[in-house]
Amino acid sequence: DAKTTQPNSMESNEEEPVHLPCNHSTISGTDYIHWYRQLPSQGPEYVIHGLTSNVNNRMASLAIAEDRKSSTLILHRATLRDAAVYYCILRYSRSGGSQGNLIFGKGTKLSVKP
Amino acid sequence: NAGVTQTPKFQVLKTGQSMTLQCAQDMNHEYMSWYRQDPGMGLRLIHYSVGAGITDQGEVPNGYNVSRSTTEDFPLRLLSAAPSQTSVYFCASSYSQGGVYEQYFGPGTRLTVT
Repeated sequence: DAKTTQPNSMESNEEEPVHLPCNHSTISGTDYIHWYRQLPSQGPEYVIHGLTSNVNNRMASLAIAEDRKSSTLILHRATLRDAAVYYCILRYSRSGGSQGNLIFGKGTKLSVKP
Repeated sequence: NAGVTQTPKFQVLKTGQSMTLQCAQDMNHEYMSWYRQDPGMGLRLIHYSVGAGITDQGEVPNGYNVSRSTTEDFPLRLLSAAPSQTSVYFCASSYSQGGVYEQYFGPGTRLTVT
């Protein structure tokens, strides 16, 4: 069962910020929040992940709610190359068993208009 | 580093034929996994491995076998191909199954079974 909820699709204009939401109301204290994206005809690629604090990297920012029941992936200036399906996934903190596997939902399809 | 490599890129099989999809990584990652992606769907986990000699089933393991004799390689075997196995197959690896580590994906193998 997918443990996250995302909108099916979103639209953005080029060079504007994009906020992609994700709800994970049943998150446990040992779950990391991972984001991946899949460009057309390519394999998924890692975007960012976090546990409790907000995180920034060269691709995006991740804002995590204080109660950790939701998070938002922020693309600061969308480009046409950012058009992709974005997946929000919970990953257990430790190895062993099946909880550390990445289980993909349907994600959010982001369209970027010139 | 080449990252995660998959061969072949494309394959057409007849029903009942067998074949092996190859996956290799040069990052010394302990955790490797195989996914399939059907048109318009998210990825579904077939099998995974947390280290050499250790494999386990994912969400959709029927019709597929895996083995992990080395850290670098994780081949996926289709025993008797069926049209329902027409899909794009992605291999992935991660330093560990733990949530602090990101997962790297290969470019995929597009398989058609007629």
